[in-house]
Amino acid sequence: KQEVTQIPAALSVPEGENLVLNCSFTDSAIYNLQWFRQDPGKGLTSLLLIQSSQREQTSGRLNASLDKSSGRSTLYIAASQPGDSATYLCAVEDSSYKLIFGSGTRLLVRP
Amino acid sequence: DGGITQSPKYLFRKEGQNVTLSCEQNLNHDAMYWYRQDPGQGLRLIYYSQIVNDFQKGDIAEGYSVSREKKESFPLTVTSAQKNPTAFYLCASSIETGGGELFFGEGSRLTVL
Repeated sequence: KQEVTQIPAALSVPEGENLVLNCSFTDSAIYNLQWFRQDPGKGLTSLLLIQSSQREQTSGRLNASLDKSSGRSTLYIAASQPGDSATYLCAVEDSSYKLIFGSGTRLLVRP
Repeated sequence: DGGITQSPKYLFRKEGQNVTLSCEQNLNHDAMYWYRQDPGQGLRLIYYSQIVNDFQKGDIAEGYSVSREKKESFPLTVTSAQKNPTAFYLCASSIETGGGELFFGEGSRLTVL
């Protein structure tokens, strides 16, 4: 059974710092991996989608990498800002077309 | 604008009542999903539908029911058989299963009194 783990569960950093969020999964048979942002009481916003054949995706200050063989993905945020404060979730789409989510990393960027 | 609309945003229910949460999308997506989110936990899949008139159970389908009579609509009914229905419910859609980007609605928060 596919399991997705995100470490750390919470992170607090000063503004301007570069940071890395981690996501690991137990079964490498995935269609894709997606990173989301969730603000309190809101739905999820898609940040980056990495297909299983890709190694990384970039959007602005965000860069996500995927290493299927080791079951790992990282989300790199450059020059963090207070507006980046949110919960970040990763999810993998498994071989039965279901998206399996991690529990998320709560990020606080201090001014 | 294209997107996913969930209603109501907040809903209160007495024990023993069935309630239906609405999810409508105008993205022309084939696949639609319902997730439940509890504090400190990730999202758990309730039901999903890959095409009109077809749907499959997810990991926590007991006490819930769905229908998919139209491409743009995927309502979720929380029945009285659901033992712990208080949660945040999220609807999502993708152009297709197997590689498509997932788009979410703003969620519906259900509280059982």
